Amino acid sequence: ETGVTQTPRHLVMGMTNKKSLKCEQHLGHNAMYWYKQSAKKPLELMFVYNFKEQTENNSVPSRFSPECPNSSHLFLHLHTLQPEDSALYLCASSREGQLSVDEKLFFGSGTQLSVL
Amino acid sequence: AQTVTQSQPEMSVQEAETVTLSCTYDTSENNYYLFWYKQPPSRQMILVIRQEAYKQQNATENRFSVNFQKAAKSFSLKISDSQLGDTAMYFCAFMVAGANNLFFGTGTRLTVIP
Repeated sequence: ETGVTQTPRHLVMGMTNKKSLKCEQHLGHNAMYWYKQSAKKPLELMFVYNFKEQTENNSVPSRFSPECPNSSHLFLHLHTLQPEDSALYLCASSREGQLSVDEKLFFGSGTQLSVL
Repeated sequence: AQTVTQSQPEMSVQEAETVTLSCTYDTSENNYYLFWYKQPPSRQMILVIRQEAYKQQNATENRFSVNFQKAAKSFSLKISDSQLGDTAMYFCAFMVAGANNLFFGTGTRLTVIP
């Protein structure tokens, strides 16, 4: 257990549904991240929040909408997704938004999303 | 642009034996860090070992060590005395110093055979 909790663990949704992924960290960190892990592809950084402010948006389609109400919680709101959006969505946190060799990422166990 | 290549999609090793996972990367940066992450079936990515590019000495963490060849842009992971709990996906990752993004490879699935 790394102190980063993601819910739900699995999610199946239709293309017209609206759902949200939740991430919570109990580590007192100030930066939180969403990564997408697709089969046979490198992990892709989607969003970064540092002190609740979005500092990175890696050209993610608008059908993915992040929300960071405080430094401990991060959401990813999903609507009108496509089947190619099926993937494992990983949340991570770090003490600061600028990483270093000593400033590591702590990951959650991910939400396995299937879009039908 | 930074890229990380792991050319071995799958590997297996006998319990107690040694295995080496390969990783190469491409960058024009001079100050960067390299990492190996492990993702067991629980799906939680766990940092295994890390290396600063300006350090010539190879990092070691118990049974895990790296062979860092900066000129060749190679960063392989050696696992000694393999244990069943080492069965997992292993990801090599690269980060420019001061950045907030890790660039990952596609991973190597390692199976330790009893």
